[in-house]
Amino acid sequence: DTEVTQTPKHLVMGMTNKKSLKCEQHMGHRAMYWYKQKAKKPPELMFVYSYEKLSINESVPSRFSPECPNSSLLNLHLHALQPEDSALYLCASSQDTGSSHGYTFGSGTRLTVV
Amino acid sequence: AQSVTQLDSQVPVFEEAPVELRCNYSSSVSVYLFWYVQYPNQGLQLLLKYLSGSTLVKGINGFEAEFNKSQTSFHLRKPSVHISDTAEYFCGIYNQGGKLIFGQGTELSVKP
Repeated sequence: DTEVTQTPKHLVMGMTNKKSLKCEQHMGHRAMYWYKQKAKKPPELMFVYSYEKLSINESVPSRFSPECPNSSLLNLHLHALQPEDSALYLCASSQDTGSSHGYTFGSGTRLTVV
Repeated sequence: AQSVTQLDSQVPVFEEAPVELRCNYSSSVSVYLFWYVQYPNQGLQLLLKYLSGSTLVKGINGFEAEFNKSQTSFHLRKPSVHISDTAEYFCGIYNQGGKLIFGQGTELSVKP
């Protein structure tokens, strides 16, 4: 298995809703990442997990809450989002944070906040 | 701080023509450099990477890139493009802090 699987592919949520994005990989990678990508822009790093521990938080608002239940799973919990949070959310993984092999990206969750 | 700059936001080209997508980087230490491709409504796919050694790197789909330390560049090339190469291309630099940072992207549009 050489894929990163993200669910759901599309999500529409209201500003008062609570939802979660899920990311899964079975490549034995020990580093996992959340990126946010707005239209016509590059992906921006949000969080880095290394060996299931949060190692980097790029000053992301607390309405985004990451969780790494085990080495294969990464969740992003969403609460009280704003319309400007609408974007493509990409999950990625790598062998470790020092990996020279590059990252494997999922196809993303396209989030719309209404 | 390490960064990458993609010099062209859009590159239109005709099918079967050669193409070069330009990327310059800034770093005071050794770097890992990458090119990723993003097709519409999809995630990013690794095209190729430079870690060390040979400065000419070959990747998937017929793409190659040349690392030039003196010019701090890592330009992506393909001798003959296809319609299916139409996509967004991102140059990336992996910094010592464990982050993969991307340039602003280049939209390659291949026309028949």
